[in-house]
Amino acid sequence: GQNIDQPTEMTATEGAIVQINCTYQTSGFNGLFWYQQHAGEAPTFLSYNVLDGLEEKGRFSSFLSRSKGYSYLLLKELQMKDSASYLCAVKDSNYQLIWGAGTKLIIKP
Amino acid sequence: GAVVSQHPSWVICKSGTSVKIECRSLDFQATTMFWYRQFPKQSLMLMATSNEGSKATYEQGVEKDKFLINHASLTLSTLTVTSAHPEDSSFYICSARDLTGYEQYFGPGTRLTVT
Repeated sequence: GQNIDQPTEMTATEGAIVQINCTYQTSGFNGLFWYQQHAGEAPTFLSYNVLDGLEEKGRFSSFLSRSKGYSYLLLKELQMKDSASYLCAVKDSNYQLIWGAGTKLIIKP
Repeated sequence: GAVVSQHPSWVICKSGTSVKIECRSLDFQATTMFWYRQFPKQSLMLMATSNEGSKATYEQGVEKDKFLINHASLTLSTLTVTSAHPEDSSFYICSARDLTGYEQYFGPGTRLTVT
């Protein structure tokens, strides 16, 4: 079966750095996405990785290792507004998005 | 960037009635649209994949006669919840994939409450 694992909840301090991990086992791979979702709102796109390595976009970076079935989202200089759920999703061989359960990130002052 | 709208943003209806939710891609053409349901504190659950001009593909466990999907054009898909019951109360989110097939763009969601 297809499976995406990420931690249920993480806590970090404002101004710090946090890394949210995602491991996946899917039938085929056509890219990995990270989305941010604030409570009561729809997800918003953060990043897309299809090749191994690190993609940096401002305070957010995403890393992918296809051989290990592993990705992480790195958030730097955390702000209170970063408190949200972060969803990892993998596009499988049928180009369907398989979603992780999401990681709730709590930022403390 | 690409924008997807949903209407209504929230709706309250009585048990037994039907509710239609619209999903529109405003500045791009979407051959494929997706309908998700999300219960509180849970992740997105894909309900169905809708391709323009053809029948929707429903995920296992989703009743196609209860959740009617119509994708009449490259910019509009509708989800009709028929004979709604309180357990259908949820956050319904659509997304649209552009012609490149690269990314899904999400609508803002529709919160349905069935009383």
